Amino acid sequence: DQQVKQNSPSLSVQEGRISILNCDYTNSMFDYFLWYKKYPAEGPTFLISISSIKDKNEDGRFTVFLNKSAKHLSLHIVPSQPGDSAVYFCAARNTGNQFYFGTGTSLTVIP
Amino acid sequence: ETGVTQSPTHLIKTRGQQVTLRCSSQSGHNTVSWYQQALGQGPQFIFQYYREEENGRGNFPPRFSGLQFPNYSSELNVNALELDDSALYLCASSLYGIGTDTQYFGPGTRLTVL
Repeated sequence: DQQVKQNSPSLSVQEGRISILNCDYTNSMFDYFLWYKKYPAEGPTFLISISSIKDKNEDGRFTVFLNKSAKHLSLHIVPSQPGDSAVYFCAARNTGNQFYFGTGTSLTVIP
Repeated sequence: ETGVTQSPTHLIKTRGQQVTLRCSSQSGHNTVSWYQQALGQGPQFIFQYYREEENGRGNFPPRFSGLQFPNYSSELNVNALELDDSALYLCASSLYGIGTDTQYFGPGTRLTVL
């Protein structure tokens, strides 16, 4: 039962343009959402998070948007840089303190 | 500040054996979570330990068990290994209760069950 879904396995974007990574979830009991970035042979690195009581959180080039009615989360990276090339995971936590991750989206930023 | 470390890096076991994986938390963190990541999948939450007590568990059978020690380091034990247990096991530490719940991951232990 995949409660967090990332339907795009891969995404390619030109350097300087916007990257938009999407995530959908099914459980309305999720109260906290996170995005992680993962390079090969390393563990995931925390990027940005958002509480379910908010609809937007911004940190530098990274912005996360939450649409609770659509059960949809997105990560915007502006401007995209070659160093952003990695696998991005979206994750959610429910009120029982269980964490669920999506299957990841591989982002390639083309110089 | 020391990051999250895991040992061993790689491990090969045979079906039916038992395995113990270890994790040292980032300095100052009191919570450890364990994840299983199969090839091509996202991390699957196994359980979390906070102050030496289990504080949340995913959909894994009881043969997956854990411990957290007073210094907040942790072990993941898996009994009666099955072929499907072959995966990357990730440990993440965090400081529970400050509201952000940011988890810092170690590099993982690659377990192969033959």
